[in-house]
Amino acid sequence: GNSVTQMEGPVTLSEEAFLTINCTYTATGYPSLFWYVQYPGEGLQLLLKATKADDKGSNKGFEATYRKETTSFHLEKGSVQVSDSAVYFCALSDVYSGAGSYQLTFGKGTKLSVIP
Amino acid sequence: EAGVVQSPRYKIIEKKQPVAFWCNPISGHNTLYWYLQNLGQGPELLIRYENEEAVDDSQLPKDRFSAERLKGVDSTLKIQPAELGDSAVYLCASSFSGESYNEQFFGPGTRLTVL
Repeated sequence: GNSVTQMEGPVTLSEEAFLTINCTYTATGYPSLFWYVQYPGEGLQLLLKATKADDKGSNKGFEATYRKETTSFHLEKGSVQVSDSAVYFCALSDVYSGAGSYQLTFGKGTKLSVIP
Repeated sequence: EAGVVQSPRYKIIEKKQPVAFWCNPISGHNTLYWYLQNLGQGPELLIRYENEEAVDDSQLPKDRFSAERLKGVDSTLKIQPAELGDSAVYLCASSFSGESYNEQFFGPGTRLTVL
């Protein structure tokens, strides 16, 4: 079956520090990969995605590259801000044939706290 | 555009009591998902609807959980009777499913506490 493993938190960084959150996956097919973010008191929001090998997803200064050879999708940001404090989830999906809907498999989440 | 709406946001009940959660998906989204999120864990799918049909309910504990999506729009998830271990956040998500990948949009969730 599919599974996602991401680094355990919590992660605490100073403002403007470099961020890396590791994510590796196991999948039987050719999944799409995602990073979701959950701010305190809010629902999960899609941060970025990549649908095939070597694709780079990017949004709000965050980046992640789909590495098929290492089955990884690590999240990076060059300079974090206090407003980036949230829980980050790595996820994958297999596209079901026909309907186009799919199931997401999530990692356990990594809590990031950025201090001024 | 309004997002996925869930109610209530918080619910506290005693064990063995029934409880229901309501979800209104984004207008036009034909696929609706219910997820369970335990503390410190990622969401896990409970059930997925395509319009009004439940197409994947393999993870739904059917002895106490039930769900419905009448008319293919709003959905209700019910637990009867609730157990202590059901304390968690219940998330609803929706998407428009067609030929290609479509993003799932999540609601804020209902936090259930069973005493």
